[in-house]
Amino acid sequence: KNEVEQSPQNLTAQEGEFITINCSYSVGISALHWLQQHPGGGIVSLFMLSSGKKKHGRLIATINIQEKHSSLHITASHPRDSAVYICAVRGSNTGNQFYFGTGTSLTVIP
Amino acid sequence: NAGVTQTPKFQVLKTGQSMTLQCAQDMNHNSMYWYRQDPGMGLRLIYYSASEGTTDKGEVPNGYNVSRLNKREFSLRLESAAPSQTSVYFCASSEGVTLQETQYFGPGTRLLVL
Repeated sequence: KNEVEQSPQNLTAQEGEFITINCSYSVGISALHWLQQHPGGGIVSLFMLSSGKKKHGRLIATINIQEKHSSLHITASHPRDSAVYICAVRGSNTGNQFYFGTGTSLTVIP
Repeated sequence: NAGVTQTPKFQVLKTGQSMTLQCAQDMNHNSMYWYRQDPGMGLRLIYYSASEGTTDKGEVPNGYNVSRLNKREFSLRLESAAPSQTSVYFCASSEGVTLQETQYFGPGTRLLVL
């Protein structure tokens, strides 16, 4: 059983499309992170959320604490957005236990 | 400002060999972490160091040891490598341990144990 579930696992989109990646979690959390892993393996932190919504450029992240759900949206997708997107949460009652989703592999086709 | 650096980038070991993965950060962060990433498993925390001089076990600590040498450096040691430790290892750092702060990741070390 994985405490963090992401969907879809794989996603292919045409350039310009609006993309949504979903993350559901089953534990109480103090924060949720969205990470981007590039094809070369490097990982970049995109957002840290504890409530509401954050926007950075074409990326938008939302979280609904009551429903234990977060979404990552990409507007006007571009081939350079092709990467694996990982949802990660820190449990609020579990010391420093971190939980990671297995990632969503996004490919944006020109 | 290099951020988080890891060495080596790639390593091949024979079963039973030992090695140390090095990690350093130049952001004056208090907390550092070691993760492993395996296909279909996501990232899993091996050990972390909340502050200089302290280390704690994460989700999968067996077979590993760590040393927080100073504020900058956090090393991960495999005393007797096993094929199950074939993985990609990521080091990360953050300003504090609460994970309210953003974690910054190194480029990863790809380890193959034969």
